[in-house]
Amino acid sequence: EAQVTQNPRYLITVTGKKLTVTCSQNMNHEYMSWYRQDPGLGLRQIYYSMNVEVTDKGDVPEGYKVSRKEKRNFPLILESPSPNQTSLYFCASSLNGMNTEAFFGQGTRLTVV
Amino acid sequence: AQSVTQLGSHVSVSEGALVLLRCNYSSSVPPYLFWYVQYPNQGLQLLLKYTTGATLVKGINGFEAEFKKSETSFHLTKPSAHMSDAAEYFCAVTEGSSNTGKLIFGQGTTLQVKP
Repeated sequence: EAQVTQNPRYLITVTGKKLTVTCSQNMNHEYMSWYRQDPGLGLRQIYYSMNVEVTDKGDVPEGYKVSRKEKRNFPLILESPSPNQTSLYFCASSLNGMNTEAFFGQGTRLTVV
Repeated sequence: AQSVTQLGSHVSVSEGALVLLRCNYSSSVPPYLFWYVQYPNQGLQLLLKYTTGATLVKGINGFEAEFKKSETSFHLTKPSAHMSDAAEYFCAVTEGSSNTGKLIFGQGTTLQVKP
């Protein structure tokens, strides 16, 4: 089954404690992205990757890092989380960067206290 | 810069009534347009998309949308609402010709279906 898998689904952490949200896709897609979803704002892109070792900033990259060492994995790293990073996060993958369907993970609800 | 506006953050219809969710976009280049649905505690699922060709696009679950270039709109419709259609709906456009895989989303519209 084609899917994007994120872990964990729910996470509560304290300010400043480094965390990683994992994302894996089994469709051999080249493009992967991270989005955050906040009420009234829709989804905003944090980082994206066009292929292995190729990553770039989206609209809201501050406070986040990513890496793409393997095609299937695209982890999101928060080196020092802050309360304003409390949000719902989605990983997505797509075959190309323009007109093909993006497949989304189930989401990770992060609370930073 | 491209942008997407969804008119109405909440839409309420009766079961069996017409569903109309509005989406307008701004783009300086021909857009690729998408509608996604998000059910509670789930990720986003593609309903339909417009890339090229026929401007009336049919999607899953009886939804369709029409690309109107002159009105810069891509409104989503369904003739008869079901209770199972209650969800949040997002209109999105891909960013110009940058080929980054970036989707620009509207703010979302929550559809409530009343019995």
